[in-house]
Amino acid sequence: NAGVTQTPKFQVLKTGQSMTLQCAQDMNHEYMSWYRQDPGMGLRLIHYSVGAGITDQGEVPNGYNVSRSTTEDFPLRLLSAAPSQTSVYFCASSQLQGPPLHFGNGTRLTVT
Amino acid sequence: GENVEQHPSTLSVQEGDSAVIKCTYSDSASNYFPWYKQELGKGPQLIIDIRSNVGEKKDQRIAVTLNKTAKHFSLHITETQPEDSAVYFCAASIGGYQKVTFGIGTKLQVIP
Repeated sequence: NAGVTQTPKFQVLKTGQSMTLQCAQDMNHEYMSWYRQDPGMGLRLIHYSVGAGITDQGEVPNGYNVSRSTTEDFPLRLLSAAPSQTSVYFCASSQLQGPPLHFGNGTRLTVT
Repeated sequence: GENVEQHPSTLSVQEGDSAVIKCTYSDSASNYFPWYKQELGKGPQLIIDIRSNVGEKKDQRIAVTLNKTAKHFSLHITETQPEDSAVYFCAASIGGYQKVTFGIGTKLQVIP
């Protein structure tokens, strides 16, 4: 039971490039979410999903797209990376019946 | 939306002393208050949580208190040990798993 797995661990992009951050969980959790962590700002919710085919925006969704085609996977797409998207990104999942959130170990993204 | 304020942002204590981290929330509808510990290079991990129908909860050296009237909740760590050194996040949500709002985090350093 691996829990929540995020890949890659580190990534450097140039402004304007696109990429997908991968997130997979093996706990059969219906709820999955993406957070970004920035110094002095804590963890901020980007997008979330309560099941396959259902996604919704969080607090800071601009510049990011998500889709949920399976229960296990919840990729986060950056269509045109900007320096303001330099951050550490965390994927988290949970049962719909309740907490806690289980976090992956994060992807550190730098946009130059 | 919900706003969670957390202080202090950094805290240094001598090994064996107690540490207290305080948070306030804005939305009176919030009813679930988890605390997460984040070690270096890892994702946050739930250490204790409390629901709005409970005033205090303890788990060994860790306790959380909640004052619904004042919209305050606090984390208390007694007999601190070097392995308690980490970043601690408080959070609030309605229901438990969706749209969890985090504080900015407190970096706790326990000095041997």
